[in-house]
Amino acid sequence: AQSVAQPEDQVNVAEGNPLTVKCTYSVSGNPYLFWYVQYPNRGLQFLLKYITGDNLVKGSYGFEAEFNKSQTSFHLKKPSALVSDSALYFCAVRDANTNAGKSTFGDGTTLTVKP
Amino acid sequence: GAVVSQHPSRVICKSGTSVKIECRSLDFQATTMFWYRQFPKQSLMLMATSNEGSKATYEQGVEKDKFLINHASLTLSTLTVTSAHPEDSSFYICSAVRGSGAIEAFFGQGTRLTVV
Repeated sequence: AQSVAQPEDQVNVAEGNPLTVKCTYSVSGNPYLFWYVQYPNRGLQFLLKYITGDNLVKGSYGFEAEFNKSQTSFHLKKPSALVSDSALYFCAVRDANTNAGKSTFGDGTTLTVKP
Repeated sequence: GAVVSQHPSRVICKSGTSVKIECRSLDFQATTMFWYRQFPKQSLMLMATSNEGSKATYEQGVEKDKFLINHASLTLSTLTVTSAHPEDSSFYICSAVRGSGAIEAFFGQGTRLTVV
């Protein structure tokens, strides 16, 4: 079984400040971890993924995430938030042995960046 | 990158009618496509897995006669919501993968269905 938790429904930050969106996961085998962003009435846009290798993963639009195996976490970070980063963010996990479409998604975290 | 196109982006239909949503992989052959449903401010719920040339596999609780899925080619899967009712109103998203060993899935833009 696999699951993912995004403990915060809402994250508010001021523009220019660093942001963190939290994600913890549970999977029986090796995890593949993903972050997606969704704007209103749009599909999911891929931000970054962790498959193997360096624990710090850099992705699109200046976002990065750190894979922490001992804490089973994959928090999304950005050093300096922009108002345009305001959106709904989803963390997803799947076991490396399962099909790419069988990821389990978190409930999402709404990020609001205020000017 | 891989592009998945979904059409239409928005559709309004009358209760009792059927509506078809298309999901196309534009620059790759998708061996498998997936259909999700998303309620407002909620996560994606996998409805079914669609393999080219075979019957779709539905998740538990999803009515296969209600949500007809056809994957006639390696670039096209369709979801038909039959005899739609207001409770079927939702945001439907497809994704596609290329090859059985694919690491990630690519998502369409989504379709907002409103049944009146």
